[in-house]
Amino acid sequence: SAVISQKPSRDICQRGTSLTIQCQVDSQVTMMFWYRQQPGQSLTLIATANQGSEATYESGFVIDKFPISRPNLTFSTLTVSNMSPEDSSIYLCSVEGGSLNTEAFFGQGTRLTVV
Amino acid sequence: QKEVEQNSGPLSVPEGAIASLNCTYSDRGSQSFFWYRQYSGKSPELIMSIYSNGDKEDGRFTAQLNKASQYVSLLIRDSQPSDSATYLCAVNAGNQFYFGTGTSLTVIP
Repeated sequence: SAVISQKPSRDICQRGTSLTIQCQVDSQVTMMFWYRQQPGQSLTLIATANQGSEATYESGFVIDKFPISRPNLTFSTLTVSNMSPEDSSIYLCSVEGGSLNTEAFFGQGTRLTVV
Repeated sequence: QKEVEQNSGPLSVPEGAIASLNCTYSDRGSQSFFWYRQYSGKSPELIMSIYSNGDKEDGRFTAQLNKASQYVSLLIRDSQPSDSATYLCAVNAGNQFYFGTGTSLTVIP
């Protein structure tokens, strides 16, 4: 399985500011995924990031709020912009892997609290 | 809407017992099925994957898949306190993952 390093692991931010989360993978991957997990809830896909093209956002998520970069095949960033307390959540980076390349593997997650 | 449904629990079992976790999914085109374990404050960790009907065993864990009934289950034998976590069922359909809301399991020593 891929080794995924995500940082920061946690942060407390003031409303109205932005936070950029970094995700580094130890192997080249075509797609990287960004999820949000709100307290007590399951994972919700924010967007899929492909190298060399714009990210594909899921319904309810927009690029202005969650800009994503994917400069190469091992790295991606997710920015949470103009934060409000409702953005307090765990943000997870994920890649596919496994023998059939169908399994999802996750970074350590970023626990964001907006005050 | 591709949905994955789980009983949120909490499910409590005594140490040494069998814990049974269940999941149903709505998309008949789903091909890959997974169980993840998530400890509080940690990211999900893959524990089982299953792709064809029947049972798949890995140590104390057995995954069961019934595509006709659109049903996936996870059995944990000889449950240990360290198994206490939230278990997420996930389905890969159309190259996208869909996660259930998770079942909270507590193993009582």
